[in-house]
Amino acid sequence: GAVVSQHPSWVICKSGTSVKIECRSLDFQATTMFWYRQFPKQSLMLMATSNEGSKATYEQGVEKDKFLINHASLTLSTLTVTSAHPEDSSFYICSATGLKAYGYTFGSGTRLTVV
Amino acid sequence: GENVEQHPSTLSVQEGDSAVIKCTYSDSASNYFPWYKQELGKRPQLIIDIRSNVGEKKDQRIAVTLNKTAKHFSLHITETQPEDSAVYFCAAILSSGGGADGLTFGKGTHLIIQP
Repeated sequence: GAVVSQHPSWVICKSGTSVKIECRSLDFQATTMFWYRQFPKQSLMLMATSNEGSKATYEQGVEKDKFLINHASLTLSTLTVTSAHPEDSSFYICSATGLKAYGYTFGSGTRLTVV
Repeated sequence: GENVEQHPSTLSVQEGDSAVIKCTYSDSASNYFPWYKQELGKRPQLIIDIRSNVGEKKDQRIAVTLNKTAKHFSLHITETQPEDSAVYFCAAILSSGGGADGLTFGKGTHLIIQP
């Protein structure tokens, strides 16, 4: 079945620094990738949608200059949290879909802690 | 946009009994309704889904029913087992084949199976 790999699984960074999270589709071409954020004991909230080779579309309330998304190939999307602050601490999960993938396949998630 | 309501937020049942989780959606155009199981700190796992052209789908102990007129769908788990304990999320979307839009999730149900 479709597999999505996400790295790192956890990261601790200092306030003010930037962190990059990678999401890779291993056995299918991901025409569309999605980035979600999940705070403790809450649901997944869609942050942005990216199509290969195009600029990402951000949900209302998500700062595009803070959460930089790059989807340069059909197998890789990256999310960079710039100038991270403690309130950015959360579980970030990517999801991908494509022509040969059924439904939406999720990455394993990244636990970001900003200290 | 789509809005998904999910109830209950917590559900405790005796092992062997059935569990039912209900969701309603707002956008009558939505046509794809997946259910995910998420264990603590892990990625959501698709357990069953249904498309708007059918009213019910079953996979062993798990079933989903859809009422398009009332815009609600439900997850049914029979003969519950301890390993069913997790958080369950429903989601809804208008899927156009290419999967261009992100999922809208309900707030989740914490299912607890009492031994």
